[in-house]
Amino acid sequence: ILNVEQSPQSLHVQEGDSTNFTCSFPSSNFYALHWYRWETAKSPEALFVMTLNGDEKKKGRISATLNTKEGYSYLYIKGSQPEDSATYLCASWVNAGGTSYGKLTFGQGTILTVHP
Amino acid sequence: DTGVSQNPRHKITKRGQNVTFRCDPISEHNRLYWYRQTLGQGPEFLTYFQNEAQLEKSRLLSDRFSAERPKGSFSTLEIQRTEQGDSAMYLCASSLAGGPGGNQPQHFGDGTRLSIL
Repeated sequence: ILNVEQSPQSLHVQEGDSTNFTCSFPSSNFYALHWYRWETAKSPEALFVMTLNGDEKKKGRISATLNTKEGYSYLYIKGSQPEDSATYLCASWVNAGGTSYGKLTFGQGTILTVHP
Repeated sequence: DTGVSQNPRHKITKRGQNVTFRCDPISEHNRLYWYRQTLGQGPEFLTYFQNEAQLEKSRLLSDRFSAERPKGSFSTLEIQRTEQGDSAMYLCASSLAGGPGGNQPQHFGDGTRLSIL
């Protein structure tokens, strides 16, 4: 995998459903994996930053896991609410080495719509 | 803490004109990042600074783009001789430096939406 890829591209669920998204990223030269939530007409908001293989983070009903060996992360939302509707972005910080200091590369996002 | 501030919020200009955007980061953050975002895509990295030093710049940028952070506080992004393809949302973010990699969450501004006529 050369780029950060997210699936699905969009998701419609009913209030109360639990859901999960996938982020795939290059496993070589990996430093950190970020998750952001971007609501319409607002700025992206950081959810989690994970660096170690096997990391698990939780914030309320939202949790995330990280597998750096195989290059994927899952984001879970338990009991989705309409206010969870947003675009969820993952991003990987990769340092290519040499004179590079690294950069954050984003996936295209997963658009979640939670219907009341 | 007033958050990351970007000005202007919207900019409409004719093709060929120069435009400049400003970003004021969270005061204690020493890293500042610029991204470009187009519809249906995630933010695309443009450049970042640690204090006043520009540490990384995307090879996707042409020579028409330049960014400065002269005193390690606010930053400006200038686009010269704008083209239709420059129409996008330009996002600024800031963070603490943390370790050698990007292990600190980034705090984003509301962005500047650029429209080229």
